[in-house]
Amino acid sequence: DAGVIQSPRHEVTEMGQEVTLRCKPISGHDYLFWYRQTMMRGLELLIYFNNNVPIDDSGMPEDRFSAKMPNASFSTLKIQPSEPRDSAVYFCASSFGGGGRSIYFGEGSWLTVV
Amino acid sequence: GENVEQHPSTLSVQEGDSAVIKCTYSDSASNYFPWYKQELGKRPQLIIDIRSNVGEKKDQRIAVTLNKTAKHFSLHITETQPEDSAVYFCAASGGYQKVTFGTGTKLQVIP
Repeated sequence: DAGVIQSPRHEVTEMGQEVTLRCKPISGHDYLFWYRQTMMRGLELLIYFNNNVPIDDSGMPEDRFSAKMPNASFSTLKIQPSEPRDSAVYFCASSFGGGGRSIYFGEGSWLTVV
Repeated sequence: GENVEQHPSTLSVQEGDSAVIKCTYSDSASNYFPWYKQELGKRPQLIIDIRSNVGEKKDQRIAVTLNKTAKHFSLHITETQPEDSAVYFCAASGGYQKVTFGTGTKLQVIP
């Protein structure tokens, strides 16, 4: 398996623009997670899905952030409008089963908002 | 919710020495404790994990211990090598399928 695939790997955008990050989980995995990593806040769970259904979005910072999972092989994280403080590495991860199962991370999307 | 605290935040050891990273958790329902290694510019990768029905687990130079009563668990790396230099994250999860990560320990192995 190719692992969790994320795109884009790097993005630089101007404040106010819409940003869409994409993720393809490992085939057969039923949980998908979106994390944000910064030096200040470490690894933060933003939202996770089980069988394409959002289970917990309490980590989503504000209404500017939204996530969807239209099918088992694709998810998006959207930021609209983007702000400089959104600059971070965004990781998508997936697992077969939830707690008690290994989580596999994608390579991350490095976002810079200027 | 679960809260995971990790210490130390940075750790420097001489090559060949041992390194120990400690974590505590708050939710007694947590029953799975993975450790991840993240090299600079790379993704976190699982290196070892332990479940609540086990007190210790070893994999070559890496071992994890778990004390459920005290709600703490530790990562032990023996005979450290320069390639062990990375950020290490502990994590805890339980019945809510939500994995909570510690804040990370930056380990530097000095040749």
